Amino acid sequence: EAGVAQSPRYKIIEKRQSVAFWCNPISGHATLYWYQQILGQGPKLLIQFQNNGVVDDSQLPKDRFSAERLKGVDSTLKIQPAKLEDSAVYLCASSRDRVGNIQYFGAGTRLSVL
Amino acid sequence: SQQGEEDPQALSIQEGENATMNCSYKTSINNLQWYRQNSGRGLVHLILIRSNEREKHSGRLRVTLDTSKKSSSLLITASRAADTASYFCAPGGSYIPTFGRGTSLIVHP
Repeated sequence: EAGVAQSPRYKIIEKRQSVAFWCNPISGHATLYWYQQILGQGPKLLIQFQNNGVVDDSQLPKDRFSAERLKGVDSTLKIQPAKLEDSAVYLCASSRDRVGNIQYFGAGTRLSVL
Repeated sequence: SQQGEEDPQALSIQEGENATMNCSYKTSINNLQWYRQNSGRGLVHLILIRSNEREKHSGRLRVTLDTSKKSSSLLITASRAADTASYFCAPGGSYIPTFGRGTSLIVHP
């Protein structure tokens, strides 16, 4: 089966600009996650979707970050405006369901904010 | 949410040696998973051990789980340079598992 697809792989922007990331999960997976991973740290969960509803977005900086999952399949994560501290790898993952399931990760998008 | 804490933070060994890393967590779990992350890539699932299991093997990987101590260990036997990566544990249950800082393993050829 095809894995989790993410694009772009790399993005360089200047602070205060906007950026969007796209994720296509594994077919049939109900749960989709967005993580932020800063260099040297573990992945930090930003938002979790169950189908097209939000389960947890407690760590999403909602003043600048937004995410949506249309029709319970693809998802986009947007940052507007970007700050220097947003430089990180953004990982998307999906799982069959949300309770104790294996997560399958995409390759990630490396964002550099200058 | 429940976060796993990996220990040690860094481990450096020679090819052919065994590598052991540990994970601790705080509340009851249904299962515990281990993931590997190669530099610049996403995480890859390695193995899942259920709360009623004490030990599980997969190739050169051996995972143990002690629910009384709320801890798990991952043993990689006969390590290879390709095992160089960061390793994360993820306690699973009726909550969202979160990842710790991981153990950074370097295997020298």
